[in-house]
Amino acid sequence: GAGVSQSPRYKVAKRGQDVALRCDPISGHVSLFWYQQALGQGPEFLTYFQNEAQLDKSGLPSDRFFAERPEGSVSTLKIQRTQQEDSAVYLCASSHVAGIAGVDTQYFGPGTRLTVL
Amino acid sequence: QKEVEQDPGPLSVPEGAIVSLNCTYSNSAFQYFMWYRQYSRKGPELLMYTYSSGNKEDGRFTAQVDKSSKYISLFIRDSQPSDSATYLCAMRGVTGGGNKLTFGTGTQLKVEL
Repeated sequence: GAGVSQSPRYKVAKRGQDVALRCDPISGHVSLFWYQQALGQGPEFLTYFQNEAQLDKSGLPSDRFFAERPEGSVSTLKIQRTQQEDSAVYLCASSHVAGIAGVDTQYFGPGTRLTVL
Repeated sequence: QKEVEQDPGPLSVPEGAIVSLNCTYSNSAFQYFMWYRQYSRKGPELLMYTYSSGNKEDGRFTAQVDKSSKYISLFIRDSQPSDSATYLCAMRGVTGGGNKLTFGTGTQLKVEL
């Protein structure tokens, strides 16, 4: 596709519900990132995939958050038993470069705005 | 205290003004420095990147990095109403942590006619 796409764009959940957020990265991009952006804040790192391998999940705030990328392309971020503090925009980004060498432009999707009531 | 500090603004300037946006950071391992622009209800888009200290110019935009002071800046010349957005600084190290970015809080800029 032309860019990173995310769905749904908006999600309203009742406290305690489970939600699943989808990210379609740019075709061929090896690296995929999830970030959480609270209102009025910058994005904060959640987790990183290189192909299907989840290499860093240090930013996941609790064990209620789970991410997967089983075939090295589409990724899903799942939040179980949602809480009000989970309300935020969840951004997905992908980049072509694997590893840490060089500058790898991260291309961001439009985000999923999650509101937990 | 956050690793990256950025004045959230909002910053309001007249069209044609020179805008200066700044971030300070505490992690000396950061080597790559970036500026992203984020329009309302959109994802961030990369504007500029700089490796280590120095200046980089691209059209109306100039990025500066002073590693000795742990201070980075973005200058926008001849600002336009279309520049109205939130500007996020971001940075990462070379080793460890993969390519994850650490962002500032963002500065909201409004350029008025």
